[in-house]
Amino acid sequence: DTGVSQDPRHKITKRGQNVTFRCDPISEHNRLYWYRQTLGQGPEFLTYFQNEAQLEKSRLLSDRFSAERPKGSFSTLEIQRTEQGDSAMYLCASSLAWTRAWDGYTFGSGTRLTVV
Amino acid sequence: AQKVTQAQTEISVVEKEDVTLDCVYETRDTTYYLFWYKQPPSGELVFLIRRNSFDEQNEISGRYSWNFQKSTSSFNFTITASQVVDSAVYFCALSEARTGNQFYFGTGTSLTVIP
Repeated sequence: DTGVSQDPRHKITKRGQNVTFRCDPISEHNRLYWYRQTLGQGPEFLTYFQNEAQLEKSRLLSDRFSAERPKGSFSTLEIQRTEQGDSAMYLCASSLAWTRAWDGYTFGSGTRLTVV
Repeated sequence: AQKVTQAQTEISVVEKEDVTLDCVYETRDTTYYLFWYKQPPSGELVFLIRRNSFDEQNEISGRYSWNFQKSTSSFNFTITASQVVDSAVYFCALSEARTGNQFYFGTGTSLTVIP
C-alpha cells in the first residue's frame, strides 16, 4: 500500500468551469476526510465519510461543492462554477473506522487547484 | 475564534542550531489532543508528535522535544541540532473530544535551515 493517493496533483481551470478531484484512501481505512488549505493558512476541515456515508460537513462546503464516496472506497470532490477564491490545496486523509482525529490520520499529498 | 495560534510566520536558523516553534491553543473541552505536523514542499502532512490533555509530561524523541503547559495553553516544539532536511512548514493542531473527527490547524511556521 502506497498511502493516500490524490489525483490530479495540480489542476488549472478557468473561472466558471467545473472540476473534480479524486482521493484513494489506504485500502483498509473506512474513514475519509477532505480538507482545504489556502496559501499561508493551515488546512481547514471540509467533510468526512465513514464508508459511503457522509457524516459531517463544514460550513465551508458551499452549495457549489459536493463530495461522494459511492462504494466506500475512493472519494471525489467536485466544485461547480469555480471561483478564484476556490484556489487552494485540497487534502484528503483516511483513518481506520472507530478512530478519532487523535488516533491520527494519514494525509495524501493534495491536489493544488488554481482558478484563473 | 482561532483555536490554534502560531505567532511565528517564518524562522531561519543555521544548521545545527536548536529551534523552538511556538503554539498557543484555545479550547473549552477538558479532553483534547495536540499535534505537530510537518509539511515539506511535496505537500503531504507528516505526523510528528501527539499529546493528550491529561499528560503534561514533556518528552524527547530523537531530535524532537515538546513543552506542554496547560496553565498557559501552550504546546511548543523544539528541534535540536537542526538539519537542512528539517526545512518545511510546521503546523500545530488541536483535536477536541467533543468534535473528535476533525483537526483545527494553526497557520503554520515556515522553517528554513541554512547549511
